Order: sequence, then C-alpha cells, then structure tokens
Amino acid sequence: KNEVEQSPQNLTAQEGEFITINCSYSVGISALHWLQQHPGGGIVSLFMLSSGKKKHGRLIATINIQEKHSSLHITASHPRDSAVYICAVRSEATNKLIFGTGTLLAVQP
Amino acid sequence: NAGVTQTPKFQVLKTGQSMTLQCAQDMNHEYMSWYRQDPGMGLRLIHYSVGAGITDQGEVPNGYNVSRSTTEDFPLRLLSAAPSQTSVYFCASSRGGREFHEQYFGPGTRLTVT
Repeated sequence: KNEVEQSPQNLTAQEGEFITINCSYSVGISALHWLQQHPGGGIVSLFMLSSGKKKHGRLIATINIQEKHSSLHITASHPRDSAVYICAVRSEATNKLIFGTGTLLAVQP
Repeated sequence: NAGVTQTPKFQVLKTGQSMTLQCAQDMNHEYMSWYRQDPGMGLRLIHYSVGAGITDQGEVPNGYNVSRSTTEDFPLRLLSAAPSQTSVYFCASSRGGREFHEQYFGPGTRLTVT
C-alpha cells in the first residue's frame, strides 16, 4: 500500500463546479505539499502546510494531522485548472518527500 | 531569476551510452534533488544534496551519479543507460535550514533509452 494515496485518480468537472481532491497518508509528517503539473509541463508548488488551512485565489488547502488527511479545493473551476494535482508529504522519520501518484483533473467548458 | 533550469529537454540514448543531465538554480538554494517520474507512480527521489560538496542517495540511486561542486549546479550522470531509465527527470531546489520550504522544480528532461 502506498504511503500517500490520492483520490480520485481521475476527475472530470464542468466549468464553474466546486472540486475536491483528497490526500491520505500513513506516515508521520512535518509538512504536506500540493503541486500542480500541466500536460507536458513542469511542476509548480501550490501550497505547503503543516496545520489548518491555506487559501490562494480560488484554491484552498486543508490538513487534519490527527486524521492524516488533506484536501485541495478549487472553487469556480475553469478549463485552465485542468492539470495533474500531486500531494507530497515530508516524512518526519527520513526528512524526504513522498509523493502521491496524482489526480488528473479535466475541466470542461 | 531563471529559477531552476534543466537541459536538455529531450534526449534519446542507446543502451550502454552515458550522458549528463544538467540542472542549475540561481536562487542560492542549499537543497537540490533529482527525481524521476514514471507512469502510474509518484515522483521518486534519485539523489539529493544539502549543500555544495554534500550528496546522498535517495530511493532509486542505482545507475546514477551526482556531484555538487557549486551551490548552483547539480548534474545527474547516467553511467550506462538502460531501457529501465526511460523516464521524465525533474530537478528541484529549496532553501535549507531547519524550516521546511517551498520546492521549486525545473521543467523536466524526457529521456528515452532504446
């Protein structure tokens, strides 16, 4: 079983919909990252958080340390949000990042 | 700032050939890492460095060498390419210290080994 699990693996939404992507992990962590990867493109850091909630524009990331769970929300989704969203955790034990396999999001106009 | 740059963007090698993937950053970051990304798998750490002159192995180091002679550059060498090394390679950097910082990724190098 992977140490970082994301759901869903694939998600198709209509423009304007509210989107939630989930990340569960099984190791002790010191931080969690949400990353965005456009098709054929590089990887961009969206959020780094260790507790609570962060907001940037239409994106919101939350984390529940006790439940070992994080969510990434996109409000008023737009076709330009179509990308792979990757959750990564920094292991407390090894200090290294462990990556999920990503969620492929397609937002249709 | 250019951020993290990688060259080449694409490369095709024959089995047994060697090559170096270049990575450079202009943000004076202490931490630099190399990852590979394969279909259906999360990014996996190949090698990393916490500062000039210091490198260490990650999860999948076999077949790869690194060095860190300067803060800016962190090249990845494939010693004798194998088809199993066909992948997309990402270099990343971040600030060092006890706090954990945002990761900056390069644009990636798509490598095919035939």
